[in-house]
Amino acid sequence: EIVLTQSPATLSLSPGERATLSCRASQSVSSYLAWYQQKPGQAPRLLIYDASDRATGIPARFSGSGSGTDFTLTISSLEPEDFAVYYCQQRSLWPRTFGQGTKVEIK
Amino acid sequence: EVQLLESGGGLVQPGGSLRLSCAASGFAFSSYGMGWVRQAPGKGLEWVAYISGSGSGTYYVDSVKGRFAISRDNSENTLYLQMNSLRVEDTAVYYCAKDNSGRYPDYWGQGTLATVSS
Repeated sequence: EIVLTQSPATLSLSPGERATLSCRASQSVSSYLAWYQQKPGQAPRLLIYDASDRATGIPARFSGSGSGTDFTLTISSLEPEDFAVYYCQQRSLWPRTFGQGTKVEIK
Repeated sequence: EVQLLESGGGLVQPGGSLRLSCAASGFAFSSYGMGWVRQAPGKGLEWVAYISGSGSGTYYVDSVKGRFAISRDNSENTLYLQMNSLRVEDTAVYYCAKDNSGRYPDYWGQGTLATVSS
């Protein structure tokens, strides 16, 4: 099983600031990595897939990069609605696995 | 508009069974892989099972192999998860999810809560 490790666990930032979230895989997943946003009481929302492609309707302030074992999700300027938990997920090998999540909270 | 509506959750004793359903609409159901992802209270996300569009391929996380069975009825646009020999650690919100063409879940249901407790 591929283990995904996200850092940091919590990111405390103010609206307008830049957020940088990391996801590291225990072995190469090529570019088969996605990022999801989840708010309390809601289902996850696909933001980025194949490491860097934005899903339909996702604002340009969200961007993804990386390949192999190291990936980054960047939110260029935080909006109030961006404060949530973010998960990375690989689909390179079954079982598909998620990272443990990074909570982006208001400072 | 894509819609996924889960049902079938509830309270069951350890060792019991539940059958979850996910009614899909708004897309060509048989053309897409579907899966179940669960989230224990206050915890992260975990893939449970996946089925290909035709139903010919199924995959399970090790912790549910031999106990859970995923299936689909493409004539009824419905996904199922039969859960047997349930354990306390299976308690979670179960989400139904549809893959996009790149095989990433792009639509999710609202979730159904399965609680295993005596």
